Amino acid sequence: NAGVTQTPKFQVLKTGQSMTLQCAQDMNHEYMSWYRQDPGMGLRLIHYSVGAGITDQGEVPNGYNVSRSTTEDFPLRLLSAAPSQTSVYFCASTQTGAQYFGPGTRLTVT
Amino acid sequence: SQQGEEDPQALSIQEGENATMNCSYKTSINNLQWYRQNSGRGLVHLILIRSNEREKHSGRLRVTLDTSKKSSSLLITASRAADTASYFCATDIPGGKLIFGQGTELSVKP
Repeated sequence: NAGVTQTPKFQVLKTGQSMTLQCAQDMNHEYMSWYRQDPGMGLRLIHYSVGAGITDQGEVPNGYNVSRSTTEDFPLRLLSAAPSQTSVYFCASTQTGAQYFGPGTRLTVT
Repeated sequence: SQQGEEDPQALSIQEGENATMNCSYKTSINNLQWYRQNSGRGLVHLILIRSNEREKHSGRLRVTLDTSKKSSSLLITASRAADTASYFCATDIPGGKLIFGQGTELSVKP
């Protein structure tokens, strides 16, 4: 099993550009989520999904969209990137409580 | 302020000593989890304690939960240099969200 995979590992965007961060898991987990991690802030929940076709907002959803068309994939879309979205983004999945995290995507918006 | 708050923010000890980290939270929870993050890596699940449990052990880790005080502690006994990492508590709250604290940076000196 590959676990939770994220692509790309690094990305630089200009303000106003859009992009999609990919997340996939091969453990058949129903629950998937996206977090951002900023220095001194811990992890903050952006969006989460309890199953295919169901998504909900977390603590900091503004500026991000998600969809969950399959159990395996949970992409995060930045509609119009802003410097405030410079961060490290983690995707995670779980079935029974303990979350499995991907390696992260380091995003810089200039 | 965030659901989970941890203290201390940073802790430096010698190898062989015990390390204690504390987490406080605000709302009712389904369970509380502890994670470790090595520098530049994703988070790794350490232990989960349910709201009806008071103490749990896993190897050199001991977690306590006091729901009346809305607090938890993580004790690492006989610490090793390899335990150097950031440690996060996360509360699983009704509605399906997992909310993280800001973390404790642990440094174990050989």
